[in-house]
Amino acid sequence: IAGITQAPTSQILAAGRRMTLRCTQDMRHNAMYWYRQDLGLGLRLIHYSNTAGTTGKGEVPDGYSVSRANTDDFPLTLASAVPSQTSVYFCASSSGRESYGYTFGSGTRLTVV
Amino acid sequence: GQNIDQPTEMTATEGAIVQINCTYQTSGFNGLFWYQQHAGEAPTFLSYNVLDGLEEKGRFSSFLSRSKGYSYLLLKELQMKDSASYLCAVMDSNYQLIWGAGTKLIIKP
Repeated sequence: IAGITQAPTSQILAAGRRMTLRCTQDMRHNAMYWYRQDLGLGLRLIHYSNTAGTTGKGEVPDGYSVSRANTDDFPLTLASAVPSQTSVYFCASSSGRESYGYTFGSGTRLTVV
Repeated sequence: GQNIDQPTEMTATEGAIVQINCTYQTSGFNGLFWYQQHAGEAPTFLSYNVLDGLEEKGRFSSFLSRSKGYSYLLLKELQMKDSASYLCAVMDSNYQLIWGAGTKLIIKP
């Protein structure tokens, strides 16, 4: 089934540890995005990639890094986790045709303690 | 700054009609999206409006007025499964999506 796979589904992480959230899509979409979703706030863009080999910073990039070595994979790394990074993280992709919207992964629920 | 406003929560009765409003102020406009998000799940795409007017898709319709910076999502013949959050998002001049905080819709029997 075509779509986006995120891993892990959930994780409890000690503060100061490094963590990589994985995201893989099989739709050959050029654009990919990482969002965090916190209660009472809208989805906030962390980083994005318009095509393989390029990345850009979103609204809340501090403490996070991404890479886009190929079309399918877009991992998000927390170099040294802090409690304020406790959130639900969604990866999304887009074909570039706005009328089709974005496709989202099922999310990673991260708790930093 | 950029801003998307929508009500935090709404309640409606099964079988009825509900209208969820969204107002926006963004730097540029390249379309407005509505997404549905059930609790604990990912958002799923409902509709896209880039021109003024009404777009109808079955029980769901979405309206846009660009001059007023206003949209609404209309849900007819409400079903219990429509209980979810509804997210309004606007694509700005940089083709980035700006998201509202979402409207939690509670359907009562």
